[in-house]
Amino acid sequence: ELKVEQNPLFLSMQEGKNYTIYCNYSTTSDRLYWYRQDPGKSLESLFVLLSNGAVKQEGRLMASLDTKARLSTLHITAAVHDLSATYFCAVEETGTASKLTFGTGTRLQVTL
Amino acid sequence: NAGVTQTPKFRVLKTGQSMTLLCAQDMNHEYMYWYRQDPGMGLRLIHYSVGEGTTAKGEVPDGYNVSRLKKQNFLLGLESAAPSQTSVYFCASSWDSSGNTIYFGEGSWLTVV
Repeated sequence: ELKVEQNPLFLSMQEGKNYTIYCNYSTTSDRLYWYRQDPGKSLESLFVLLSNGAVKQEGRLMASLDTKARLSTLHITAAVHDLSATYFCAVEETGTASKLTFGTGTRLQVTL
Repeated sequence: NAGVTQTPKFRVLKTGQSMTLLCAQDMNHEYMYWYRQDPGMGLRLIHYSVGEGTTAKGEVPDGYNVSRLKKQNFLLGLESAAPSQTSVYFCASSWDSSGNTIYFGEGSWLTVV
């Protein structure tokens, strides 16, 4: 059974600071997804990482994937208040029709 | 751009009642999914479909049934609702399983009393 663990579960950070969210998973996978969810809203796709060593960046967010370590990171650079949300990683088990197993989420709060 | 549309968005049911959630997508996607999200948790897969006329069980299928009679629609049914099924339900769709973006609907808030 695929297990996905995120940490931290809650992160309070000041504007302008950098931080990293970690996503560990338990079985072989070549595909990992990062989503953002605002309170009461749906999930917004941030990144799709498809291979070992993949790195993608959008604005202040950068995601990477190490399939050998079964680890993905979401790095936040110079955080701003608008980044406050819950971030989920989701792992697609190899050969499973894009069925995703989600982490429990990291609630990010960026304070002034 | 409609994308993935879910109806209804909010519903309150009494224990034992039945209901159907409708998911419609206009992107001609083959794959569709139903997830549930409980407070403080990630999403868990209920059922999914890899094409018209096909369905399969996910991680938490008990108490739910699904149908995919048309490619664009994926229905989730609760035959006899239980308080444990109080949750937010998300539908999702994707083109195929080659790592394309998976799109989510806005969610359906269901309360069973």
